[in-house]
Amino acid sequence: TQLLKQSPQFLSIQEGENLTVYCNSSSVFSSLQWYRQEPGEGPVLLVTVVTGGEVKKLKRLTFQFGDARKDSSLHITAAQPGDTGLYLCASGGSYIPTFGRGTSLIVHP
Amino acid sequence: GAGVSQSPSNKVTEKGKDVELRCDPISGHTALYWYRQSLGQGLEFLIYFQGNSAPDKSGLPSDRFSAERTGGSVSTLTIQRTQQEDSAVYLCASSRSGDLTYEQYFGPGTRLTVT
Repeated sequence: TQLLKQSPQFLSIQEGENLTVYCNSSSVFSSLQWYRQEPGEGPVLLVTVVTGGEVKKLKRLTFQFGDARKDSSLHITAAQPGDTGLYLCASGGSYIPTFGRGTSLIVHP
Repeated sequence: GAGVSQSPSNKVTEKGKDVELRCDPISGHTALYWYRQSLGQGLEFLIYFQGNSAPDKSGLPSDRFSAERTGGSVSTLTIQRTQQEDSAVYLCASSRSGDLTYEQYFGPGTRLTVT
């Protein structure tokens, strides 16, 4: 079983601050997905990264897949209260998905 | 179009009772997944269906757990003789294919509380 480690586990910041969360593994992935989960809801896919070194941007969110395809990062610029939620990374390329434990982000107005 | 729906949204049951959780996937999605999410834990994979078949049941935590899918659509997860440690949110997701480069669409989950 591939193990995905996410850090930090919790993050509490003020509106307007920047932040980066990480997803690391000792295994190589063919693809990696980032999800955001809000309380009482299921996770919603934000992005899938496939190519080593790939960078994808989604408004104020920037996702990067490591060159060796073992790690990924999510950077949020000028965080807003609407960014509050649990950010999960998940491995792809296998029919048995593995999720990290997530980073719980709270953005205070 | 309609997303993934799950019922009930909340279920409180007494220890030892059986419960059935239902998942209605997005129409046309061949892959269906069940997960369990406990407080402070990540999503624990339980079982995956491709069509009506479950190629891998190794994620089911014990023989008290079973799942079926009929008509390539609705799935039910059954927990027999529930225990307090079964308390969690049970999430269902569907996907166009079992290839995980495709997006999984999640339902809102069923919160199970065993008293």
